[in-house]
Amino acid sequence: GDSVTQMEGPVTLSEEAFLTINCTYTATGYPSLFWYVQYPGEGLQLLLKATKADDKGSNKGFEATYRKETTSFHLEKGSVQVSDSAVYFCALSDPYNQGGKLIFGQGTELSVKP
Amino acid sequence: SQTIHQWPATLVQPVGSPLSLECTVEGTSNPNLYWYRQAAGRGLQLLFYSVGIGQISSEVPQNLSASRPQDRQFILSSKKLLLSDSGFYLCAWSGDFPSSYEQYFGPGTRLTVT
Repeated sequence: GDSVTQMEGPVTLSEEAFLTINCTYTATGYPSLFWYVQYPGEGLQLLLKATKADDKGSNKGFEATYRKETTSFHLEKGSVQVSDSAVYFCALSDPYNQGGKLIFGQGTELSVKP
Repeated sequence: SQTIHQWPATLVQPVGSPLSLECTVEGTSNPNLYWYRQAAGRGLQLLFYSVGIGQISSEVPQNLSASRPQDRQFILSSKKLLLSDSGFYLCAWSGDFPSSYEQYFGPGTRLTVT
């Protein structure tokens, strides 16, 4: 079945460092891909999305490009801030095979130190 | 704009007691609705989803149940709580496929079973 694999955390960075969180997926159809962010004690917020190959999703300085050839959707940010400390989830939705349900990765905790 | 509400925000219940968590969505009609549980750690487990009033699909066997008595209301229940039911419960909604299938999450309910 469909699945999402994220890099293990926690990831600890200094403020203004470059961030990459790796995400790869397995899907039989043509999924849409998402990054969600969860701040401590809160629900998940949609950070960005891409619906087809080579699409780039972007929001709040974060970017991710849908790479069909490598089945990847890595999250990047050029300069992280302390306020970016959170858990990041990669997810896919394959409506034709899963009824639109989201398949989540296990989450990657990011801690940014001043 | 659409908003999603969950209550209560936190709940402490003894083993064997009943449970009722409520989720309501405003600003949209006929949403798809979802219940997730996030146990210790960060992984998200889909418990139930609903594509319409009275239509509930269960993803995992357990002592929980869900109901959708109204179009924008989704309720998670249990007759007798177990210690293993402790966790962070998240409700989410999405639009109808294929127009929109990203999910939007509520603030969550923190349940502690003692």
